[in-house]
Amino acid sequence: KNEVEQSPQNLTAQEGEFITINCSYSVGISALHWLQQHPGGGIVSLFMLSSGKKKHGRLIATINIQEKHSSLHITASHPRDSAVYICAVRSDYGGSQGNLIFGKGTKLSVKP
Amino acid sequence: DTEVTQTPKHLVMGMTNKKSLKCEQHMGHRAMYWYKQKAKKPPELMFVYSYEKLSINESVPSRFSPECPNSSLLNLHLHALQPEDSALYLCASSIRTSGSYEQYFGPGTRLTVT
Repeated sequence: KNEVEQSPQNLTAQEGEFITINCSYSVGISALHWLQQHPGGGIVSLFMLSSGKKKHGRLIATINIQEKHSSLHITASHPRDSAVYICAVRSDYGGSQGNLIFGKGTKLSVKP
Repeated sequence: DTEVTQTPKHLVMGMTNKKSLKCEQHMGHRAMYWYKQKAKKPPELMFVYSYEKLSINESVPSRFSPECPNSSLLNLHLHALQPEDSALYLCASSIRTSGSYEQYFGPGTRLTVT
């Protein structure tokens, strides 16, 4: 079993829809990251969370530490939101060197 | 300046060539990372540098040789690569390895080995 699981793997939405991507993890963490990667492109960090909720524009990220679960929400989705969204966690293991454990990503396609 | 830059953007090399990838940041970060990403897969960690010293080498073949000449610069020297090494190579940096700090990623170098 992967330490970081994302669902769904693929998601197709119509423009304007509300989108939710989920991430569950099985290790103790010090932080969780949501990352965005457009086709053929580099990675952009959207959020880093250790508790609660963060909002940036149309994006909202929440985390429940007790349940080891995080969600990324996109309101009023737009075709330019089409990308792969990756959940990554930083283990709280004392020997961790800052490296991230990645989920397999959720490929989002937003149709006009 | 919250940017990590990588050069070149694209690189095609033969199996006998020697080339280098370059990564630069001017955010004062003292942790720098090399990742390899194959198509439709998440990034895989290759190396971690902390305060210009190699702290993690994830059993990467010796045909990949990292170098951190100063706190702003990270290189990845390539020699005698194989076609299966073709991938997107991503550099990232963070304030330091300990604690919860955001990692900033570069745009990557798309490497093709022929």
